[in-house]
Amino acid sequence: DAGVIQSPRHEVTEMGQEVTLRCKPISGHNSLFWYRQTMMRGLELLIYFNNNVPIDDSGMPEDRFSAKMPNASFSTLKIQPSEPRDSAVYFCASRADRGNEKLFFGSGTQLSVL
Amino acid sequence: GNSVTQMEGPVTLSEEAFLTINCTYTATGYPSLFWYVQYPGEGLQLLLKATKADDKGSNKGFEATYRKETTSFHLEKGSVQVSDSAVYFCALSYSGGSNYKLTFGKGTLLTVNP
Repeated sequence: DAGVIQSPRHEVTEMGQEVTLRCKPISGHNSLFWYRQTMMRGLELLIYFNNNVPIDDSGMPEDRFSAKMPNASFSTLKIQPSEPRDSAVYFCASRADRGNEKLFFGSGTQLSVL
Repeated sequence: GNSVTQMEGPVTLSEEAFLTINCTYTATGYPSLFWYVQYPGEGLQLLLKATKADDKGSNKGFEATYRKETTSFHLEKGSVQVSDSAVYFCALSYSGGSNYKLTFGKGTLLTVNP
């Protein structure tokens, strides 16, 4: 299994531009999570999908952020317009349900907004 | 609400030294407790877990015991190696249902010198 795959690994963009981060979860996993990691705030949960349906988006900072999961094998996190304070590492993680609590993380996308 | 507090880093040790990283939690009920590890440039990986009071999780020489009376889950290793250099995250969750999520501590950076 290739694990959770995220792209791109690094993204550098200018303030005001649209940014799209992509994630392919592990095949067969029912739950998908987007996290943001910064030095100041640590690891924050942005949004959680179960069976492709958003269950908890209370961590999404503001309307500039949106996430979709059109099918079981793909999810996107979009920031429009981006701001310098959005600079962070964004992680996608997936989990199989059925009593298994172990999260599998991707390698993350390092986002820099100039 | 639920929260996790872990000792602030960075922690710097010499090879073969004893390691303790403190973690305490605040939660209602009986959560499951976890330690995740993040190696440089990678996503988080589950290191060990404990699901009920007095359980001991162990993996790769690391151990942590779920102490309900002190609401703690301290991570220990008797003899660290250079390859243990990483960021360590304590986390808690409640299992069951589809609205499951992990609450992470802010992470503790460990550097082991040869």
